[in-house]
Amino acid sequence: DQQVKQNSPSLSVQEGRISILNCDYTNSMFDYFLWYKKYPAEGPTFLISISSIKDKNEDGRFTVFLNKSAKHLSLHIVPSQPGDSAVYFCAASEGAGSYQLTFGKGTKLSVIP
Amino acid sequence: ETGVTQTPRHLVMGMTNKKSLKCEQHLGHNAMYWYKQSAKKPLELMFVYSLEERVENNSVPSRFSPECPNSSHLFLHLHTLQPEDSALYLCASSQSGTGQETQYFGPGTRLLVL
Repeated sequence: DQQVKQNSPSLSVQEGRISILNCDYTNSMFDYFLWYKKYPAEGPTFLISISSIKDKNEDGRFTVFLNKSAKHLSLHIVPSQPGDSAVYFCAASEGAGSYQLTFGKGTKLSVIP
Repeated sequence: ETGVTQTPRHLVMGMTNKKSLKCEQHLGHNAMYWYKQSAKKPLELMFVYSLEERVENNSVPSRFSPECPNSSHLFLHLHTLQPEDSALYLCASSQSGTGQETQYFGPGTRLLVL
């Protein structure tokens, strides 16, 4: 049973618009969440994270929102750029003492010029 | 070299071969990981080493054998693999103990078992 779900396998967005990638989780013990970006033939690159004590974290064009009651997080990219085209993975951890990151299957984002 | 490096980047092997994957991290971290990524599946954690001791082994078949000689190096020894073991093998590292681990990944080794 998947504990981290990314229900949209792909998303296409026009350059300059907002990209919204969604992630749902089922394990209420998760308290740290990360987004990774992956280009073909490369390993995942850390993008942004959020702790469960926050509901928003921003870094430049990237903002992650966490809704604990809904067990839902989202990544907003504004404005979207063609170089953002990649696969985005959501991951979650149970925090203190936990080495395990549980990943979603990923969403392929295509930003159209 | 910076970050996490992996060699080789691509590997083709027969089912009777023995090969090893190598990972090196240059981040001063003390935890290292092996992940497997198969087509259309999430990344699966295989092994975790913290301070050179194995702390997790997620029901991985014995034909995969990890080795961590020091905190900067991690190996995955492969023998008598099956075609279904063909996948992208990713190494990662982190600074353990914070409770909120950001893992940093290498580029991966694309393995094909014939």
